[in-house]
Amino acid sequence: DTEVTQTPKHLVMGMTNKKSLKCEQHMGHRAMYWYKQKAKKPPELMFVYSYEKLSINESVPSRFSPECPNSSLLNLHLHALQPEDSALYLCASAPLAGGHNEQFFGPGTRLTVL
Amino acid sequence: LAKTTQPISMDSYEGQEVNITCSHNNIATNDYITWYQQFPSQGPRFIIQGYKTKVTNEVASLFIPADRKSSTLSLPRVSLSDTAVYYCLVGERGAAGNKLTFGGGTRVLVKP
Repeated sequence: DTEVTQTPKHLVMGMTNKKSLKCEQHMGHRAMYWYKQKAKKPPELMFVYSYEKLSINESVPSRFSPECPNSSLLNLHLHALQPEDSALYLCASAPLAGGHNEQFFGPGTRLTVL
Repeated sequence: LAKTTQPISMDSYEGQEVNITCSHNNIATNDYITWYQQFPSQGPRFIIQGYKTKVTNEVASLFIPADRKSSTLSLPRVSLSDTAVYYCLVGERGAAGNKLTFGGGTRVLVKP
């Protein structure tokens, strides 16, 4: 299995809602990432997990809360979002030891905040 | 992290070779050059990575001059399905939990 899956594909939420994005990989990768991508812009790194521990937080607002319950799963909990948070949220994974640093990306969750 | 500069867009025709040049003047000794491809509403996909000279795989070639301050991604005989955004990235290889900083990307349009 060489893919990263993300659910849901699309999500519409109000500013008072609480929702979660899910990401899963079964490639044995021990690094997992969340990116945010606005239309016609490059992906922007949000969080990096290494061995299920948060290693990088790119000064992301606290209304985004990541969680890595095990080596295969990565969640992004959303609360009190703003309309400007509407974007494509991408999850990625990568092996930590050597290799090409190739990150495997999921298809993304298209989030709309009303 | 080294900053990269790429053309914003390029047009080509089916069957032609497409060459995209990326500038990375402040590349560090330990940095590798990596290219990703992204189709609309999909995640980026790794294409190729290199350190110096030339690297070739089944999809593309990567040319890196001796000073490593630039690199050129070459896509041979493109088809309509190669229409995508191509990102050049520079960073250390094998770094634990490494960051990927995407530059602006080059939007390639392949016409019939």
